[in-house]
Amino acid sequence: QVQLQESGPGLVKPSQTLSLTCTVSGGSISSGSYYWSWIRQPAGKGLEWIGRIYTSGSTNYNPSLKSRVTISVDTSKNQFSLKLSSVTAADTAVYYCARDLSYYDLGFDPWGQGTLVTVSS
Amino acid sequence: DIQMTQSPSSVSASVGDRVTITCQASQGISSWLAWYQQKPGKAPKLLIYAASSLQSGVPSRFSGSGSGTDFTLTISSLQPEDFATYYCQQANSFPLTFGGGTKVEIK
Repeated sequence: QVQLQESGPGLVKPSQTLSLTCTVSGGSISSGSYYWSWIRQPAGKGLEWIGRIYTSGSTNYNPSLKSRVTISVDTSKNQFSLKLSSVTAADTAVYYCARDLSYYDLGFDPWGQGTLVTVSS
Repeated sequence: DIQMTQSPSSVSASVGDRVTITCQASQGISSWLAWYQQKPGKAPKLLIYAASSLQSGVPSRFSGSGSGTDFTLTISSLQPEDFATYYCQQANSFPLTFGGGTKVEIK
């Protein structure tokens, strides 16, 4: 079955750009009519949807982050990526990638295991 | 944005208890709602989609109901592996939003 795995630096300096990649295995990122999302969770807090991308490259972003977020897809590598610019300590969180079936009212499934990103000098 | 309000924020219960968690949307979302279970240090796991449909592989003691603005997740007989935090999520409109979570603790 499809599995997702996040990767990227665990420590980012304030004002710099956070960059993460999600690698999809067990199936082609291009097969099926799926969206692929990024979601984050600060320690001890709830979940925040960051944005999503369709395999055509079409994106939707959370307005609260839209000015700083870019999500892209590389179908040749079966990956999609997140860039979040001008980070501050408030961006410290566990970042998850997930297959986004919410367009079909089917929820997010599956999820990656998550990766902790700390913003600190 | 559509605000999702869960209650209670935490509940203490015993094995075998029936547990009900509610989720209220700030505006109508039809049945565009999912429920997730999250255990410490783990990613959320999809339990229910379309408000009342059970995800494949999820035990039948979990059930969801509701439409419009008011939804419930029910665990009919709490098992030891069910102690976790539960989140609702709406998919009716952007941005997609989650409830604040309900922690189910051992009594």
